[in-house]
Amino acid sequence: GIQVEQSPPDLILQEGANSTLRCNFSDSVNNLQWFHQNPWGQLINLFYIPSGTKQNGRLSATTVATERYSLLYISSSQTTDSGVYFCAVQDSGGSNYKLTFGKGTLLTVNP
Amino acid sequence: NAGVTQTPKFQVLKTGQSMTLQCAQDMNHNSMYWYRQDPGMGLRLIYYSASEGTTDKGEVPNGYNVSRLNKREFSLRLESAAPSQTSVYFCASGKTGTSFLNEQFFGPGTRLTVL
Repeated sequence: GIQVEQSPPDLILQEGANSTLRCNFSDSVNNLQWFHQNPWGQLINLFYIPSGTKQNGRLSATTVATERYSLLYISSSQTTDSGVYFCAVQDSGGSNYKLTFGKGTLLTVNP
Repeated sequence: NAGVTQTPKFQVLKTGQSMTLQCAQDMNHNSMYWYRQDPGMGLRLIYYSASEGTTDKGEVPNGYNVSRLNKREFSLRLESAAPSQTSVYFCASGKTGTSFLNEQFFGPGTRLTVL
């Protein structure tokens, strides 16, 4: 099955810093989503981005499908950005319904 | 619009007991999913329902059964709970349209402990 690797596994920032999280996947995809799992465990949708670039406030994401990676940018980080960021993909050659998740990047933003 | 709701939020079972986790969505999505999340493992798909009346196995279906009761509701049943089923369980529903292919939205989760 498709493999999803996220880097870095852990990241510690001071409030106000910028960061880039990366997601590599091993096969072509027709769905890629970024999620934020907050410290209370809730999974929050950030982006649906199988290709191209999107922005939402301080967050933006870019997926280069032909090179099989996606990047999530967080600018001017805040303590509320802390949590785990997951990338999840749907293999275009496999099941039409299964999302495969990476193991996540644990982000800690210190005041 | 509550999105995806799950009950209960927390549950403690003894080995061998049974229980049903409930999930409902009010977004009129056709597909629904059950995942489990374990430390260091990300989320893994247990079962899914592509549409009302159909269910299929995911990556880790052993020890579970599901029922798609109607378009809104999708339940997960543990017939004889085992300690290996201690986990956080998430239900999700999937949105498909002209600009979206199966964008999934998650409920708040159920934290289950099996002693």
